[in-house]
Amino acid sequence: QVQLVESGGGVVQPGRSLRLSCTPSGFTFSVYGMHWVRQAPGKGLEWVAFIWYDGTNKYYTDSVKGRFTISRDNSRDTVYLQMNSLRDEDTALYYCARDQDLLGTFIDFWGQGTLVTVSS
Amino acid sequence: EIVMTQSPATLSVSPGERATLSCRASQSVNSNLAWYQHKPGQPPRLLIYGASTRATGIPARFSGSGSGTEFTLTISSLQSEDFAVYYCHQYNNWPRTFGQGTKLEIK
Repeated sequence: QVQLVESGGGVVQPGRSLRLSCTPSGFTFSVYGMHWVRQAPGKGLEWVAFIWYDGTNKYYTDSVKGRFTISRDNSRDTVYLQMNSLRDEDTALYYCARDQDLLGTFIDFWGQGTLVTVSS
Repeated sequence: EIVMTQSPATLSVSPGERATLSCRASQSVNSNLAWYQHKPGQPPRLLIYGASTRATGIPARFSGSGSGTEFTLTISSLQSEDFAVYYCHQYNNWPRTFGQGTKLEIK
């Protein structure tokens, strides 16, 4: 069955960087677009970023543009979220999620999430 | 960006009764609207896509309706496992956006 396993979360100081990884299984990774979605403590879901199946196109929410970069390595079946210049408000559980299409429609499967805490 | 507004924020319903959750978009999203169920400690689960199509394995008591800017998720006869937070999500425009959620609690 479809599984998505996130890693790379942790505690980091404001202004520093962190890279999240997501390793899927149970499906052909290279033909699906992939998302990152986050949930701050006590808050709702916030969509963060999306990447096409082949990595040629990417989209971001405004609050992370210029700081976060989504990428993928189809030879390693892994999607990444490079997070730079981290802020307190980036503290959240970060979910990796599969789109049901190559180019971006809706999310059909989610990972369990990895927790990022930005704190001095 | 498209703002998704859900109402009510919290809905108290007794088991066996019907629950109706609303979602409004700040501009038309056509039928590009999904609903997710989210329970503590679990990832969200896809319930509905295309505004009204049930995802695989979702019970028939869940139904979605609407198009454009007004959408509804109806749970016809609440079971104990249905008490959770529900989010609507538009995938018509970038950036994608979620509603703030409706918490469905036991009355």
